[in-house]
Amino acid sequence: AQSVAQPEDQVNVAEGNPLTVKCTYSVSGNPYLFWYVQYPNRGLQFLLKYITGDNLVKGSYGFEAEFNKSQTSFHLKKPSALVSDSALYFCAVRDGSGGSYIPTFGRGTSLIVHP
Amino acid sequence: GAVVSQHPSRVICKSGTSVKIECRSLDFQATTMFWYRQFPKQSLMLMATSNEGSKATYEQGVEKDKFLINHASLTLSTLTVTSAHPEDSSFYICSARGLAGTSTDTQYFGPGTRLTVL
Repeated sequence: AQSVAQPEDQVNVAEGNPLTVKCTYSVSGNPYLFWYVQYPNRGLQFLLKYITGDNLVKGSYGFEAEFNKSQTSFHLKKPSALVSDSALYFCAVRDGSGGSYIPTFGRGTSLIVHP
Repeated sequence: GAVVSQHPSRVICKSGTSVKIECRSLDFQATTMFWYRQFPKQSLMLMATSNEGSKATYEQGVEKDKFLINHASLTLSTLTVTSAHPEDSSFYICSARGLAGTSTDTQYFGPGTRLTVL
């Protein structure tokens, strides 16, 4: 079984401040982890993924995420938030050890960046 | 690269009619396509998964006779909502995944289709 938790429904941050969107996961095999962003009335856009290698993964639009195996977390971060980063963010996990190839998505976190 | 298109982006139809939504992977071959439904301010609900040339696998609770999925080629999947009713109004999003072990071994999403049934 695999699951994802995004504990915050909403994150508020001031423009220029660092942001963190939290994600924890549970999977029986090797975790393949993903972050997506969704703007209103649009599909999801792929931001970044962790498969193997460096724990710090860099993605699109200046976002990065850190894989922490001991804490089973994959938090999304950005050093300096922009108002245009305001959107809905989804974390997803799937089992990379030959289990289900269908990822499980978190419920989403709404990021609001204030000017 | 890895672009997925969906058509139409928005459709309004009368109750009882059928609506077809197309999903295309534009620059890669999608061995697997997924169809999701998303309600306002909620996460994605996986409806079905389809592999090219085979029947779709539906999630529990999804009516296969109502939501017909065809994955005729490695770049095209269609979802047909048959005899649509107002409760079928929703945002439908498709996703395509490329060959395992390649650079497109990730889910890429279409822009979504807003269906409104009157």
